[in-house]
Parts: sequence; C-alpha cells; structure tokens
Amino acid sequence: GAVVSQHPSWVICKSGTSVKIECRSLDFQATTMFWYRQFPKQSLMLMATSNEGSKATYEQGVEKDKFLINHASLTLSTLTVTSAHPEDSSFYICSARDPGLDEKLFFGSGTQLSVL
Amino acid sequence: AQSVTQLGSHVSVSEGALVLLRCNYSSSVPPYLFWYVQYPNQGLQLLLKYTSAATLVKGINGFEAEFKKSETSFHLTKPSAHMSDAAEYFCAVSDGRTDKLIFGTGTRLQVFP
Repeated sequence: GAVVSQHPSWVICKSGTSVKIECRSLDFQATTMFWYRQFPKQSLMLMATSNEGSKATYEQGVEKDKFLINHASLTLSTLTVTSAHPEDSSFYICSARDPGLDEKLFFGSGTQLSVL
Repeated sequence: AQSVTQLGSHVSVSEGALVLLRCNYSSSVPPYLFWYVQYPNQGLQLLLKYTSAATLVKGINGFEAEFKKSETSFHLTKPSAHMSDAAEYFCAVSDGRTDKLIFGTGTRLQVFP
C-alpha cells in the first residue's frame, strides 16, 4: 500500500532556532498534502493544506510566517517551524492523498518537536 | 460546524473480550465518519469509514462501527480483542466536500493477556 514517510520522528531544538520537517509520499504522487498538530491530550488539528506548485492554505489561527510550508515536488512537502519557542512543542503529522487509490488519505508517523 | 468527542482516553480489556470505543459527533450537515488506528511509531491507518451508505460499516482487522443518527454516535466495536489491537484509536468527521478532517482526542486501547 501507499506509504508516507515523515522525518525526523523526533527533534529537540533550542528556542529561537528553526526546524524543518519533511513529508514524502514514497510510491505515489501527491498534489495535496496536509499538516496537523497535536498537543498532549488534545485532538489532531489541521494546520494547513499544502498544494504542489502553489502557496499553502492555512487554517484560521495558524501563523503562515511561523510555519512555512513548501511543496516543491509531487512527492515532498516540508514544514519549517521558524524561530521556535517552547509553546511550539507538539506532535506534527503530515498526510497525503493518493489519487490512484480512490483519493485515500495516508498519514506519516509524526514528528515530536521539543523546544527547550 | 463539526466536532467529535471520544469518551475515555484509555480503555483496557482482556484478550478475547469485547472492545467498545465510543465516539459521538456533532455536524450541521450529513457527516462522513472515520476511525483511524495508530500503532506505535507508525502513521494513522484507516480502519473504516461511513459515507452515507450502510449504517453498519465493517473495517479491517475485525472491527466494525454503526452509525446511529438518533444518538449522533459512531462507536467502534470488535467482538474479541487481540493483543495486537493495542494502539491509539482516533474518530474523525468531515463534511464530505472538503479534505478537512476533524479528529477526536483519541483513545488508547490496552489489551491484557
């Protein structure tokens, strides 16, 4: 079946630094990918929709200048958390829709970000 | 607006016992409903989905869920738990027109021998 690879699985960084998270569709081309965030004991919340070759669409309340999304190819989307602060510590998950499998949605395994 | 409530952040059952994970939804339009499972260190996998066809939906690994409009529920069940069912389970809702999924907070299922 289709696989979405997310890297890294966990990252620890200092406050003020930037962190990049990659999401790759391994055996299909994804024109659309999605980025979610999950705080402890809360729901996965959609942050933004990443569209290949165009600007991402951000959900209300998500700072687009802080969470930079780049979808430069049909198999790769990246999320960069800029100038990270402790309140950005969270679990980030990406997903991608496989157009060849009845638009089925596949999820990455997530990235745990801890900002010190 | 749509929302999902999963009752019980942790559920523990013995191997062979019935599994019942509860999910209630709120939606102003006919909902599409989903159950996802996440095993340790893996991505979310779709267990089953309801998209306005049969109200009893059968999924993978012996799981099923019943859409009950009168109760606004979509509870997940499995007649006999297996050790390999231990995982985190998420209920989600969408309006069927967009890609936006609204997730519940998840329920961690533990299975004891």
